[in-house]
Amino acid sequence: AQKITQTQPGMFVQEKEAVTLDCTYDTSDPSYGLFWYKQPSSGEMIFLIYQGSYDQQNATEGRYSLNFQKARKSANLVISASQLGDSAMYFCAMREGQRNSGYSTLTFGKGTMLLVSP
Amino acid sequence: GAVVSQHPSWVICKSGTSVKIECRSLDFQATTMFWYRQFPKQSLMLMATSNEGSKATYEQGVEKDKFLINHASLTLSTLTVTSAHPEDSSFYICSAPPLAGEGTDTQYFGPGTRLTVL
Repeated sequence: AQKITQTQPGMFVQEKEAVTLDCTYDTSDPSYGLFWYKQPSSGEMIFLIYQGSYDQQNATEGRYSLNFQKARKSANLVISASQLGDSAMYFCAMREGQRNSGYSTLTFGKGTMLLVSP
Repeated sequence: GAVVSQHPSWVICKSGTSVKIECRSLDFQATTMFWYRQFPKQSLMLMATSNEGSKATYEQGVEKDKFLINHASLTLSTLTVTSAHPEDSSFYICSAPPLAGEGTDTQYFGPGTRLTVL
């Protein structure tokens, strides 16, 4: 079974509107972390936001927020007030186990290409 | 934040030659580094975990003899693609785990190396 599922290959949004990128995950480990990364055409991986499995509140970082629904095992990324520069590939990723427990590796989803139009 | 560099940023080589990619932690020491491969329009796939002073740990399906990893110092890990063939053409990204005491859980990613084998 896929550990990280991103069902949207591509999304379109108009500038200044909000957009939600879906991510569901599968793990039996009670301790895990969920990440979202942005990858523009240059290829660099830009860290956006992190949610720990024990975090009580949804993570927020500026225009990015993570809609964490633990029971449904979903961690959707919400981008508010989209900008043209937000056009990029977005990856959801999961780290199983606690941070620093042997440097657990990341598993990535297949990604969602977001295009922001004027 | 911690900075990871990669060299070269892109390389074109003939089939059958070997290519070395360097991954450096610029302002911190990394006993562990990760190597990922990303084919066009696909996700990042972990290839191996590089450990300073010991053998690398390879993911299932990754040929150890083809992708040689050397982590000779606390700031440098190298990936050598031996006898490269066109199917090895890909984007290779390295990363280092988060530092203890840092307020972030994300890995620190290098900018990537685009390999094209003719």
